[in-house]
Amino acid sequence: AQRVTQPEKLLSVFKGAPVELKCNYSYSGSPELFWYVQYSRQRLQLLLRHISRESIKGFTADLNKGETSFHLKKPFAQEEDSAMYYCAPPVKAAGNKLTFGGGTRVLVKP
Amino acid sequence: GAGVSQSPSNKVTEKGKDVELRCDPISGHTALYWYRQSLGQGLEFLIYFQGNSAPDKSGLPSDRFSAERTGGSVSTLTIQRTQQEDSAVYLCASSLGGQGGEQYFGPGTRLTVT
Repeated sequence: AQRVTQPEKLLSVFKGAPVELKCNYSYSGSPELFWYVQYSRQRLQLLLRHISRESIKGFTADLNKGETSFHLKKPFAQEEDSAMYYCAPPVKAAGNKLTFGGGTRVLVKP
Repeated sequence: GAGVSQSPSNKVTEKGKDVELRCDPISGHTALYWYRQSLGQGLEFLIYFQGNSAPDKSGLPSDRFSAERTGGSVSTLTIQRTQQEDSAVYLCASSLGGQGGEQYFGPGTRLTVT
C-alpha cells in the first residue's frame, strides 16, 4: 500500500520566516502526490499537485525520488498560511487503501 | 456548480443509538470517499466507492460502520450502536474518476456521542 508520512504535527514560525512541511512516501510505481490544506472553518481543499509543478499561494513542492520526499515550502510565511496541511497520494483503484499523511498544523505568528 | 454537500452539519446522539450521515457528491463524479477526522488522529480513510465496482471497505473500524451509495450518487454512512469514541468529524469527498485526480471535500458532519 502507498503510505505517506508527515513527521511534524505542529510547525510554529514567525511571519516572514521560511516554512517547510515534510512529507515522505513509500511507493511502488510512479509516485503522484498532492498537498491539501484546511483553513479554519473551511473545507479541506487541494493546494497543489506535483505534476503541475505550480507555485500556489507562494508554496512549492518538489518530488525528490532519491529521498522519497515531497516537502512543501514557502520562503516567507504569512499569517493567512496558518492551517492544517495534509500530504496525500492519489486515488487508486479499489483494493488499495487510501492513506493521507497525519497532517501538520502550521501556526504563523505575527 | 455546487460542491460536495453533507448533512446534517452537526449531530449529537446518545451512546447506543444509530446515526445516518448523508453525502451528495458533485454531479458526474464517479468516485466517492468517506473519511473520519479526529483530534490528534489526522484524516482516517473509511470507505471508497468507484462506479459500479465493489466498494473498498478496508478502512471501516468495525462492523458497526456501513455505507451505501445509491444510484451511483448519494451515499449514506451508517453507524450502529454509537460509542463515544465515534465522536469525530466525518468527511465525504468525490472525484471525477477512480485513478488519480483531485478529491473535492464536503464541509463534514460533526458527530458527538454523549
